[in-house]
Amino acid sequence: DAGITQSPRYKITETGRQVTLMCHQTWSHSYMFWYRQDLGHGLRLIYYSAAADITDKGEVPDGYVVSRSKTENFPLTLESATRSQTSVYFCASSESYQLHEQYFGPGTRLTVT
Amino acid sequence: AQSVTQLDSHVSVSEGTPVLLRCNYSSSYSPSLFWYVQHPNKGLQLLLKYTSAATLVKGINGFEAEFKKSETSFHLTKPSAHMSDAAEYFCVVSRSYGGSQGNLIFGKGTKLSVKP
Repeated sequence: DAGITQSPRYKITETGRQVTLMCHQTWSHSYMFWYRQDLGHGLRLIYYSAAADITDKGEVPDGYVVSRSKTENFPLTLESATRSQTSVYFCASSESYQLHEQYFGPGTRLTVT
Repeated sequence: AQSVTQLDSHVSVSEGTPVLLRCNYSSSYSPSLFWYVQHPNKGLQLLLKYTSAATLVKGINGFEAEFKKSETSFHLTKPSAHMSDAAEYFCVVSRSYGGSQGNLIFGKGTKLSVKP
């Protein structure tokens, strides 16, 4: 049971480049989430999705784009990477929204130079 | 509004001694509460959850937490610490609604160190 996977695990890119982080879950969970984790800020929600083709902004969506054409995949794209987007990115999924736990992927450590 | 406060940013214990990580919450309704653990360079793993069934919740790796409504607390305990327990622990409360901050409110984390 693979659960939830992210790729790549580590990425170094240059300012201005487009980067896509992949997230895949095998549970058929309806909800999927993207967070970034930074020292001093904890976990902040970037975008989330309630189902295929339904996405919504989180707390810090600027500079990011998401799509969800299939239930199992939820890619996150940085259209033009900036140094402030250097962070660890976590994808998560959940069966439901209200009062339910989320299951997290292993994370992608992104460095923008 | 809901909120969660982890009372200690860092806890240090010796191997074999008890662990206590403290968490207080604020909620206007009966919440769901979770503890997650994050080992270095890893994702967050669900340790245990409370969803209004038994107030004493048992989780993985010998951890347990007790929901105390009168004290609005959900402290995490383990009778005997192991070196592998060294990690960061997050107390999390679920909102009754969503919005731009999502449906989970994360505490700031408690870093647990275990000395040999």
